[in-house]
This record gives sequence, C-alpha cells and structure tokens, in this order.
Amino acid sequence: EVQLVESGGGLVKPGGSLRLSCAASGFTFNSYSMNWVRQAPGKGLEWVSSISSSSDYIYYEDSVKGRFTISRDNAQNSLYLQMNSLRAADTAVYFCARDVRSGSYSGDYTFDIWGQGTVVTVSS
Amino acid sequence: SYELTQPPSVSVSPGQTASITCSGVQLGDKYASWYQQKPGQSPVLVIYQDTKRPSGIPERFSGSNSGNTAALTISGTQAMDEADYYCQAWDSTTVVFGGGTTLTVL
Repeated sequence: EVQLVESGGGLVKPGGSLRLSCAASGFTFNSYSMNWVRQAPGKGLEWVSSISSSSDYIYYEDSVKGRFTISRDNAQNSLYLQMNSLRAADTAVYFCARDVRSGSYSGDYTFDIWGQGTVVTVSS
Repeated sequence: SYELTQPPSVSVSPGQTASITCSGVQLGDKYASWYQQKPGQSPVLVIYQDTKRPSGIPERFSGSNSGNTAALTISGTQAMDEADYYCQAWDSTTVVFGGGTTLTVL
C-alpha cells in the first residue's frame, strides 16, 4: 500500500523550532518529487515547499523562505521539514504529499498521495 | 504573485451537474489540477493535467482549462460529492492553490 505518515508536530512557542518527518512506503521514494502543504484551522490549502527526487530543485513559499528547510533521505525513504523562527501564523496541519509523476522534474508539481497530516501549534 | 480565484460556494441538486470554476491570468497556458477534501480528511486528487482522472476517481468527474478559466464538472452529482474543492497550478517556481469552493448537494 502506498502510504505517507507524518510525525513531529506539536506545541511550540513563538520563535521556537520543530522538525517534521514524513515516512514513505509502498513506492520507489527516490523516483518522486515530494512536497509539504499546510492548512491553517478553518482555512484553505497552502503550499509550503517542494523538493525534486534527487534534491536538485528546491522551492519555498515566500513567507517561509529563510526559516524553513526541506530535505530528504532517499536511503531512509523519508522527507523532512526543519522549521525555525516559528510564528503564530505557521499554526496549521502540515501534510506531506507526493508528486503524481515518477522521474526527475524541476517543477509543475501535482499531489496524488497525501499523508494524514501532523498538527503544528505555535503559541505562548 | 500569481492568484487563482474560486467561488466560495456552489450548490447543486442530487443528480444534476455541478460546475466549479477557477480563474487566473492565462491559466489555460498552465496545467490545472483539482482536489476534493471532506471534513477531517486529507485532500484527494480528482483531476490533474487539466483533464486526467487518477485511478479510482469516478467518471462523473471531468475537467477543462482554456483561456483564463479552468473548470471542474461533476455530472450526476451525488450526496457523497459534498466537500471542499481546490484548484491548483504551478507558476514559475511556486505551487498556487485557489481559495477553495464548498460544494453543497441539496
């Protein structure tokens, strides 16, 4: 079964850090670009970051540039999001999502497999 | 920055056809995708690359994209189709989502 399982969410104070993880199974992880998408309480979907299959291409949404770092370990079938200098506006459910295409792509991502999400709450 | 605009809500009677639009500058020059999200659940891809349906998505879901508008059409809408729907496209170096449309089946 193709599956993505996020972990690492929690309650953190403003200015703090968290590292999210996404464990992939059931597919050839190193062949797919991967992504993080978040959803604030009661709000719509917001893209956060993308990374190509070999980490050659990395992209960030403007509000997280310089604070968040996406990475992947293809040997461990895992995706990560290091989040620093967290703000209240970062409070959301964070989803890990796979690009629909197998191969090396520099953009135009579409998300066909989603994890269940992990909750990040930034509050004092 | 690039923006995608969706109507906040659409209503449809069971068995009728629902159409949800997504507008953006020269959106027809990009690929549009659509996601369905039910309360408390993760999003599900229902249309990608304008018109393609992933495996397991019913044939009643279809998509189009031309000019400045993409559309998701649900033929013979069922009660189970009641959900939030989001369009999505890629612009330059970013993924862009529309604000979402709540589809009510009544």
